[in-house]
Amino acid sequence: GAVVSQHPSRVICKSGTSVKIECRSLDFQATTMFWYRQFPKQSLMLMATSNEGSKATYEQGVEKDKFLINHASLTLSTLTVTSAHPEDSSFYICSARAPGQETQYFGPGTRLLVL
Amino acid sequence: GNSVTQMEGPVTLSEEAFLTINCTYTATGYPSLFWYVQYPGEGLQLLLKATKADDKGSNKGFEATYRKETTSFHLEKGSVQVSDSAVYFCALSTGGGNKLTFGTGTQLKVEL
Repeated sequence: GAVVSQHPSRVICKSGTSVKIECRSLDFQATTMFWYRQFPKQSLMLMATSNEGSKATYEQGVEKDKFLINHASLTLSTLTVTSAHPEDSSFYICSARAPGQETQYFGPGTRLLVL
Repeated sequence: GNSVTQMEGPVTLSEEAFLTINCTYTATGYPSLFWYVQYPGEGLQLLLKATKADDKGSNKGFEATYRKETTSFHLEKGSVQVSDSAVYFCALSTGGGNKLTFGTGTQLKVEL
């Protein structure tokens, strides 16, 4: 149980285009999902916390207009990187948490490369 | 604020060697503590956790004890295998798990 998937696993796009990444909880309902960014050989940095049916809460320094988050259902959250630039290239990881539980379960990550 | 400090890697061991990866933390309140493992090219997997002082989390031969007096949660395994090669992250959460704070990760390489 507690499986979280992400799609796509890898994406290459041109500078200036937008990319959407999906995060799904496959066998549980996730009222809260989290989006992280991981740079090479570094730790995960929380970008935003997404609660189903409400606006996401962004961490300091994360541009909400650039990283659009939608959590429209209890099993799906999406992160859209708008007008992507090479500096947005990174490994994006989502996690999901079931109601009343503390443990976060992580997706396998999406590697974004912006050319 | 909350912070997690891990020993720097990489840590290189021979198969069947004993493993210790140190982790200390600073937190407000009473955190829950976690170890996550990230295999090459994959996302993080929860390895073990402990939610209160003196609890011992264990899984797959790994274990860690929540030491409040030393604010530590060191990861140990008695005999590592090549398949244990991965990056290990120590993390904590407070306030019902709404936000995880990660350490920088420690890369473990196990050689034959």
